[in-house]
Amino acid sequence: NAGVMQNPRHLVRRRGQEARLRCSPMKGHSHVYWYRQLPEEGLKFMVYLQKENIIDESGMPKERFSAEFPKEGPSILRIQQVVRGDSAAYFCASSAAGYSYNEQFFGPGTRLTVL
Amino acid sequence: KQEVTQIPAALSVPEGENLVLNCSFTDSAIYNLQWFRQDPGKGLTSLLLIQSSQREQTSGRLNASLDKSSGRSTLYIAASQPGDSATYLCAASYDSGGGADGLTFGKGTHLIIQP
Repeated sequence: NAGVMQNPRHLVRRRGQEARLRCSPMKGHSHVYWYRQLPEEGLKFMVYLQKENIIDESGMPKERFSAEFPKEGPSILRIQQVVRGDSAAYFCASSAAGYSYNEQFFGPGTRLTVL
Repeated sequence: KQEVTQIPAALSVPEGENLVLNCSFTDSAIYNLQWFRQDPGKGLTSLLLIQSSQREQTSGRLNASLDKSSGRSTLYIAASQPGDSATYLCAASYDSGGGADGLTFGKGTHLIIQP
């Protein structure tokens, strides 16, 4: 039973380019969460999605960032026109629908470096 | 604003000692509390989850307790081993009315077990 998968594991972009981060939840999980870990800071919640729906995007920066979780395929976190301050580790987590306690399981993360 | 605080920020102890890591949260209306470990450059491994209706959970040498009235959780590690060296993260989940939401993380306790 594969865990949460993220790719790429490492991503290098130049300022102004686009970054696309992918997350495949654990089998049977339909809830996906994205978090960002900036250097020397704790993990911060960004967005919570269920299939085809954004449930809570209160942690997403207002501009340049977007997320989706289509009916088929992985969840995508998209960052347009990246800046150096976007350099961070981005983690995806998933949880199972129908559970009352929302245990979240994390992927290995994508480390984004903006040159 | 919900906040999670962990003390100490760093801890170094000799192998074999029992130790306690502390976590406090500002809002007693939590949905659940989850403890993770994070190894350098890696993702998060879920250790224990305590539902709001529970007072403690145990897994092997780990025991986590939850006291909602005082806004505190502790992670007890018995007979520590060098392999326990990692950063330990505490995270609280709150119910926004639509079910449990994204986790609010503390900044972690960096633990070193000296052989």
